[in-house]
Amino acid sequence: EIVLTQSPGTLSLSPGERATLSCRASQSVSSSYLAWYQQKPGQAPRLLIYGASSRATGIPDRFSGSGSGTDFTLTISRLEPEDFAVYYCQQYGSSRYTFGQGTKLEIK
Amino acid sequence: QLQLQESGPGLLKPSETLSLTCTVSGGSISSNSYYWGWIRQPPGKGLEWIGTIYYSGSTYYNPSLKSRVTISVDTSKNQFSLKLSSVTAADTAVYYCARRSSVAGTLYFDYWGQGTLVTVSS
Repeated sequence: EIVLTQSPGTLSLSPGERATLSCRASQSVSSSYLAWYQQKPGQAPRLLIYGASSRATGIPDRFSGSGSGTDFTLTISRLEPEDFAVYYCQQYGSSRYTFGQGTKLEIK
Repeated sequence: QLQLQESGPGLLKPSETLSLTCTVSGGSISSNSYYWGWIRQPPGKGLEWIGTIYYSGSTYYNPSLKSRVTISVDTSKNQFSLKLSSVTAADTAVYYCARRSSVAGTLYFDYWGQGTLVTVSS
């Protein structure tokens, strides 16, 4: 099983700042199979990024994804108030999907 | 606009079987472009993939749950279902159904139901 470890666990920033969220895999992951989701309280996850770097439909361009192999990054260039949420990375490998434990992005 | 809606009992006793159905509207479950999946989230915790199914009936399960999980599809009703046997308190979670898409070799869950809380308690 490929384990995804997200860091930091909690990130405290102010609106307008840049957020950098990390997702590290226990073994190499195909970039095609790496996605990022945003989840707000009481809501289902929302797809942000697929294929490590492609934005999903309707996702603002302040969200970007990068990385390869075992290290992937989600960057939010300038935080808006609605961006404060929990973010999960997800991968597919060895016939199963796994998610990271999440990074909580909170208002400082 | 594609919509997914979970339905089923919200309270179970230990050892019972969890049964949930996901109704898909605004699109066909029989499309050859998509798989359909179940994902759960214990209260205050992260996401766990349970399994996915193709409209033909092909299934893929999380090995950690495989012995207790059955996912099936009913194309005539545009629904797919989850059964999880011998539940315990550890199975208490919000259960989501979702569409798994693939574009140019990528794989991701792009449409999700709102989720349904299932509580296991005696």
